[in-house]
Amino acid sequence: GIQVEQSPPDLILQEGANSTLRCNFSDSVNNLQWFHQNPWGQLINLFYIPSGTKQNGRLSATTVATERYSLLYISSSQTTDSGVYFCAVGDSGGSNYKLTFGKGTLLTVNP
Amino acid sequence: NAGVTQTPKFQVLKTGQSMTLQCAQDMNHEYMSWYRQDPGMGLRLIHYSVGAGITDQGEVPNGYNVSRSTTEDFPLRLLSAAPSQTSVYFCASSYLPRAYNEQFFGPGTRLTVL
Repeated sequence: GIQVEQSPPDLILQEGANSTLRCNFSDSVNNLQWFHQNPWGQLINLFYIPSGTKQNGRLSATTVATERYSLLYISSSQTTDSGVYFCAVGDSGGSNYKLTFGKGTLLTVNP
Repeated sequence: NAGVTQTPKFQVLKTGQSMTLQCAQDMNHEYMSWYRQDPGMGLRLIHYSVGAGITDQGEVPNGYNVSRSTTEDFPLRLLSAAPSQTSVYFCASSYLPRAYNEQFFGPGTRLTVL
C-alpha cells in the first residue's frame, strides 16, 4: 500500500515563529488532507488539498502531486497551534476515500 | 448539523467482554469508516462502508465486526475484547464522489481493555 512519511516527528517553537511541516507519499494520490489533533484528541480538518495551494488565515498548504509531497506552513505560531499534525492520503487507484495516515508531527509552541 | 457523533466517549472492558461502539452522521454521507489510533502509529483503517448494506475490511480488521443497515449509522463491534484492542477509536464519513471527498471525524472513543 501507499506509504506516508511526515517530518519532522517533533518540533518545538517559540510563540511567533514560523514553521514548515512536510508530508511525502510513495504513490499517486488524488485525496490529501491535513488534520490538527488538539490536546483533547479531536481531529480538526485543516485542508483538503490533493493538489495546488490553499490558505486559511495563518495556515497555508501546498501539494505538488507530481513530486509526491505536501507542505503545511504555520506562520506566527500561537500556543493554541500545539498538538499533532497529520497528513492523510488516498491513492488514485480507485479508492481514494480510504485514507492512509502518516505518523504525525508533534508541535509544541511555547509562550 | 451534529456532524459525526460517537458514543461512548470512554469505556473500560475486561478481556473477553463484548461491546459496540456507536457512530452516527447526519450529513447524508455515503462513506463511513472506523480507525484506531495507537501511540506513535498514526491512525489505521479498521473497516469501511461505501453505502448501506456494503462493508469491507481495512488495514487492521481482525477482532472487529461492522454492519451498515442505514446511511446514518455505522456501529463497530468487539465480540471478545483483548488488551491489544486498547486504543482510541475514530469514526469518519464523507461523500463518495471521487472528485471531492473530504472526510470528517467524530470526537473519538477511548477504550481500555484490562
